[in-house]
Amino acid sequence: TQLLEQSPQFLSIQEGENLTVYCNSSSVFSSLQWYRQEPGEGPVLLVTVVTGGEVKKLKRLTFQFGDARKDSSLHITAAQPGDTGLYLCAGESNSGYALNFGKGTSLLVTP
Amino acid sequence: SAVISQKPSRDICQRGTSLTIQCQVDSQVTMMFWYRQQPGQSLTLIATANQGSEATYESGFVIDKFPISRPNLTFSTLTVSNMSPEDSSIYLCSATTGSGYTFGSGTRLTVV
Repeated sequence: TQLLEQSPQFLSIQEGENLTVYCNSSSVFSSLQWYRQEPGEGPVLLVTVVTGGEVKKLKRLTFQFGDARKDSSLHITAAQPGDTGLYLCAGESNSGYALNFGKGTSLLVTP
Repeated sequence: SAVISQKPSRDICQRGTSLTIQCQVDSQVTMMFWYRQQPGQSLTLIATANQGSEATYESGFVIDKFPISRPNLTFSTLTVSNMSPEDSSIYLCSATTGSGYTFGSGTRLTVV
């Protein structure tokens, strides 16, 4: 199992602040995915990054894949209470095989 | 992407009994996975289920405790056998078509 270190584990911020979540590994992944999960629901895919150095934007969310495809970051600009949830990074070592999940970042955005 | 219906969504069970969780996918999928998740924490892979072959279990999980069926390309079940309070958790199924991963909404199991 390839380990993914995700930080911070918990984050509590006020509405309007910016934040960054990090996902690091010593292993190379063919792709890395970010999910958001709300209580009582399964993880929902936000983005998949495949190419080293790739940057993807999803409204106020910016995702970056490291050049060596071992790490990734998620940056949220002007966080809103609706961003509250558990954010999970997951690495895919081989297509179609089970994902390796980071420990997750529990984000709370207060008004 | 595929949509997964998972049931039950939650259950409270007596220790020593067994619970079978079902996942139905709205399209044929090559591989399905079963995970366990403590509330607010990450997902731990239990096993990978391919149609027509026995499931492959991760370290720490055994077939006698977590038997899995995969009778066709759209359906799978996970049974949690001889339950104890330590089995209280959220159980999730997932599927991949090769172009992405989809998750069920989870089964919150409480063993009393």
